[in-house]
Amino acid sequence: DVKVTQSSRYLVKRTGEKVFLECVQDMDHENMFWYRQDPGLGLRLIYFSYDVKMKEKGDIPEGYSVSREKKERFSLILESASTNQTSMYLCASSGTGDGYTFGSGTRLTVV
Amino acid sequence: EDQVTQSPEALRLQEGESSSLNCSYTVSGLRGLFWYRQDPGKGPEFLFTLYSAGEEKEKERLKATLTKKESFLHITAPKPEDSATYLCAVRSNTNAGKSTFGDGTTLTVKP
Repeated sequence: DVKVTQSSRYLVKRTGEKVFLECVQDMDHENMFWYRQDPGLGLRLIYFSYDVKMKEKGDIPEGYSVSREKKERFSLILESASTNQTSMYLCASSGTGDGYTFGSGTRLTVV
Repeated sequence: EDQVTQSPEALRLQEGESSSLNCSYTVSGLRGLFWYRQDPGKGPEFLFTLYSAGEEKEKERLKATLTKKESFLHITAPKPEDSATYLCAVRSNTNAGKSTFGDGTTLTVKP
């Protein structure tokens, strides 16, 4: 069964901490994405990547960075966590023209 | 800019009461339209891809249809386990990998 695996289901971090969210896919997909989902705001794209070492900003990149050193792994980094980054974070991957396969999500709370 | 509008925002049905969810879209050259199901606290699960007007896809009690301006997700004789948020997304020919999502319709089916 093909999968997108996010490293943590729940995470609590302190304001100002550097936070790493990891995502791994086993489908050899070129495309990988990071979204955040908040009540009433829907899915908002943070960053995406079409290939290894390649990244593009989505709609809300401020306060975030990403890394894709290997095809199967796409990491989201919160440089200095703030309370307004408390959210559900979803990683997804896809081949060209395909629907997305999403991970189970990481619910991050910043205190 | 690609846009997706879903209606209604919320839908409450009795078990067995068939209905439809709407997804209206504008896109510069449709590469694909996608439907997803999302259960609370989980990542969206891919349901269907539709590529061209007139196309239909079915899965159990769900049937998705596509015109040049909108897609419908028809739910026939729904059961309580069909309760979820249903998301629609489009991908254009100019954004081969990135999808634009609607805000979803939250379906509740009462026994």
